[in-house]
Amino acid sequence: AQSVAQPEDQVNVAEGNPLTVKCTYSVSGNPYLFWYVQYPNRGLQFLLKYITGDNLVKGSYGFEAEFNKSQTSFHLKKPSALVSDSALYFCAVRGNQGGKLIFGQGTELSVKP
Amino acid sequence: DTEVTQTPKHLVMGMTNKKSLKCEQHMGHRAMYWYKQKAKKPPELMFVYSYEKLSINESVPSRFSPECPNSSLLNLHLHALQPEDSALYLCASSQLPGQGYGYTFGSGTRLTVV
Repeated sequence: AQSVAQPEDQVNVAEGNPLTVKCTYSVSGNPYLFWYVQYPNRGLQFLLKYITGDNLVKGSYGFEAEFNKSQTSFHLKKPSALVSDSALYFCAVRGNQGGKLIFGQGTELSVKP
Repeated sequence: DTEVTQTPKHLVMGMTNKKSLKCEQHMGHRAMYWYKQKAKKPPELMFVYSYEKLSINESVPSRFSPECPNSSLLNLHLHALQPEDSALYLCASSQLPGQGYGYTFGSGTRLTVV
C-alpha cells in the first residue's frame, strides 16, 4: 500500500533562516513525488516534483527537495525563509506502477519576522 | 492558458437545494479530478475522469453526481446535501492519468450547507 508521512504538524522558522519540511513515503516500485503549497482559502499550488534523475530537485519560489531512496524521504528545503512562505505544505506520492496520488497530512509552516 | 478555473468561488445552499459546481481547463489535459478538503486537512479524492470517462469513484454518496461533458469541462452536481458536506471542493487536472504528471489545481469552491 502507498503512504506518505509528514511527521511535523507545524514548523516554526525565523525569517532569513533555512527551513526544512519533512516527508517520508512508502510505495511499490519507484516513486513519483510532489510538493504542493496551499495559502489560506486557495487551491494547491505545485512547487516541484521528482520523477527520475538528479536527486536534488529545484522548484518554484526558491524551494528545493532532496530525494533519498535509502531513507525513503523527500524533504522540502529553502536556504532563507520569507514571511510570505507561511502556508500549508503537502507532500504527495504515487508509485510508478499506478495508483492514486496520495497526500500527506500537511505541515503548517510559520515564518516569523 | 495554464489554469484550472472553478466557479462559483463561494456557495451557500440549503439541504433541499440543487446546485452545480463547474470546473474548466484549456491545457489539453485528459484527466480531471474532484477533491473535497476540510480545513487544514489533505484533499480527499472523490472522482477521477480519464478521457472523459469516470474511472474512479471513491465511494462518494449519490448526493454528489459528477459529469464530464467534454475534455475541458467537469461539473459536480449537488442535491440534498448535509451540513457535514460543507468544505472546500477542489478540481484538478493532469496531462494524462497516472504516471509522473503533476496536477494543476483550481482555487476551489467554498461550499456551506445550511
